[in-house]
Amino acid sequence: LAKTTQPISMDSYEGQEVNITCSHNNIATNDYITWYQQFPSQGPRFIIQGYKTKVTNEVASLFIPADRKSSTLSLPRVSLSDTAVYYCLVGGPNSGYSTLTFGKGTMLLVSP
Amino acid sequence: NAGVTQTPKFQVLKTGQSMTLQCAQDMNHNSMYWYRQDPGMGLRLIYYSASEGTTDKGEVPNGYNVSRLNKREFSLRLESAAPSQTSVYFCASSEGMGLNTEAFFGQGTRLTVV
Repeated sequence: LAKTTQPISMDSYEGQEVNITCSHNNIATNDYITWYQQFPSQGPRFIIQGYKTKVTNEVASLFIPADRKSSTLSLPRVSLSDTAVYYCLVGGPNSGYSTLTFGKGTMLLVSP
Repeated sequence: NAGVTQTPKFQVLKTGQSMTLQCAQDMNHNSMYWYRQDPGMGLRLIYYSASEGTTDKGEVPNGYNVSRLNKREFSLRLESAAPSQTSVYFCASSEGMGLNTEAFFGQGTRLTVV
């Protein structure tokens, strides 16, 4: 079961790029890396998923090095509305119960 | 395009009362989940249903029961509410099993037990 480690909190200012790194040393061959975002008073929202190299969508980019033991969620030019908790999850078809659980996530606070 | 709908959004119960939290999804998803979120505790899985007709316990099932009424609906019942069950409850669904298959969450039910 891949375990993830990410910073508890991060601070940034509007307009900056924010990179949140997640460590997952025991990632399995079939595991994907998935990030969720949770705004205050709302349910989590899927934002991006990747297996290797780089994935980009309209919200974020996900960088995964060749060894896949870590990944970095990149938020370009953050705004106040990006203040949220970001969860990194690792799992795949054979991960079973671990794919149903959230860690504590990273609380990102964006200030003016 | 409602996604995952939870009712009610807010509820206040007295200790010992019972209630059912309703959840419905319109995405034809196979799997559904109930989580609770307490301050500083993150989201904890209460029960899940991998497919219609099946339910399984999660991390914190004590004091709760669930029913997968059909493919669309997954309800959570508190038989005798306790103050420790004061929390925000989230229902979620996904096509496959697990959060790595893009789960969709409802807006939550804020429950206070006094």
